[in-house]
Amino acid sequence: GDSVTQMEGPVTLSEEAFLTINCTYTATGYPSLFWYVQYPGEGLQLLLKATKADDKGSNKGFEATYRKETTSFHLEKGSVQVSDSAVYFCALSDRGEGGGNKLTFGTGTQLKVEL
Amino acid sequence: DAGVIQSPRHEVTEMGQEVTLRCKPISGHDYLFWYRQTMMRGLELLIYFNNNVPIDDSGMPEDRFSAKMPNASFSTLKIQPSEPRDSAVYFCASSRTDNQPQHFGDGTRLSIL
Repeated sequence: GDSVTQMEGPVTLSEEAFLTINCTYTATGYPSLFWYVQYPGEGLQLLLKATKADDKGSNKGFEATYRKETTSFHLEKGSVQVSDSAVYFCALSDRGEGGGNKLTFGTGTQLKVEL
Repeated sequence: DAGVIQSPRHEVTEMGQEVTLRCKPISGHDYLFWYRQTMMRGLELLIYFNNNVPIDDSGMPEDRFSAKMPNASFSTLKIQPSEPRDSAVYFCASSRTDNQPQHFGDGTRLSIL
């Protein structure tokens, strides 16, 4: 079945440091890929997405490129801020029976940004 | 637009009691999803609906769990009887179509004593 593997956290960085959170996936078809962010006490929010190979998703300074050859979708940001502290989830979608955007999530990576 | 609304935000009850979690999806969204989040298992899809019809309930852990969607603006997830291992955060999400991203509610934190 489909699966998503993320680097384990927590990741602790100083403000303005460069961020990379690794994500690799296994899928039988051609899934869409997503990064979601979860702030404390809240639900998940879509951060960015890519629907086909070589697509780059970007939002709020975060970027991720859909790499089919390495089955990866690593999240990057050039300069993190304290407000970026959250848990980040990599996910892929698979068409379920009758349609539907079934999401398979990674385990999440907690990011802590310090002054 | 209002987001996905879940209630209650927190629920603490004793084992053996019936628990009902509620969700109001975003208006106009045809798909509704229920997820469970635990430290041990991460985020798991329990069940999803399309136009109020359950499509895939393969993630429902056992017969103690049931979900309904009587109309386009309301869904419930019931656990009867509840057990301590059901303690988790339960999220509801909705999407407009099967090609659109899912929007999540803030979750219900359930504690079974």
